[in-house]
Amino acid sequence: EDQVTQSPEALRLQEGESSSLNCSYTVSGLRGLFWYRQDPGKGPEFLFTLYSAGEEKEKERLKATLTKKESFLHITAPKPEDSATYLCAAYSGNTGKLIFGQGTTLQVKP
Amino acid sequence: EAGVVQSPRYKIIEKKQPVAFWCNPISGHATLYWYQQILGQGPKLLIQFQNNGVVDDSQLPKDRFSAERLKGVDSTLKIQPAELGDSAVYLCASSFMRQETQYFGPGTRLLVL
Repeated sequence: EDQVTQSPEALRLQEGESSSLNCSYTVSGLRGLFWYRQDPGKGPEFLFTLYSAGEEKEKERLKATLTKKESFLHITAPKPEDSATYLCAAYSGNTGKLIFGQGTTLQVKP
Repeated sequence: EAGVVQSPRYKIIEKKQPVAFWCNPISGHATLYWYQQILGQGPKLLIQFQNNGVVDDSQLPKDRFSAERLKGVDSTLKIQPAELGDSAVYLCASSFMRQETQYFGPGTRLLVL
């Protein structure tokens, strides 16, 4: 069964304290690993797509990486405005579905 | 370019009442999705359309949920009758084609009392 698991469920950081979010996946026929950001009361906002192991993508303080079993979202020197829920999703080429993890809620304190 | 538009943004109804949600996808996007997101969980796919045809509705509770995408553009998701467990955010997303990046609307927050 296709499954995506994120850890930790919640993360509290001080401003400037770097950390990583983990996304483990078991998906048949992976055709892309997606990261989204979701603010309270809003829909998910697209951040990155990764397609193959070893691929990396960066955007401001965020960097996403992919291995054959996991993806990481590294946050360097976070700011309070980075506080949000980060969702990981894997696209199964076999089922044609995007499978979401439960999300990691990040709080960055000034 | 306008994003995915959804209405209403909020809806409060009594159980057993019907409710409908509307979605207008990004212009030119052939694929449209409806997701259900329960508090504290990730979105779960309910139904997927390619143009005006259903690609996957395997997780749609068909005894009470229905959806249509007339003319391959706008879509409507209906629940009749609503149950307490249907309280959730209903998200609409669209993509240019299947397997490509999905862009989400703001969602409709449904509370069933």
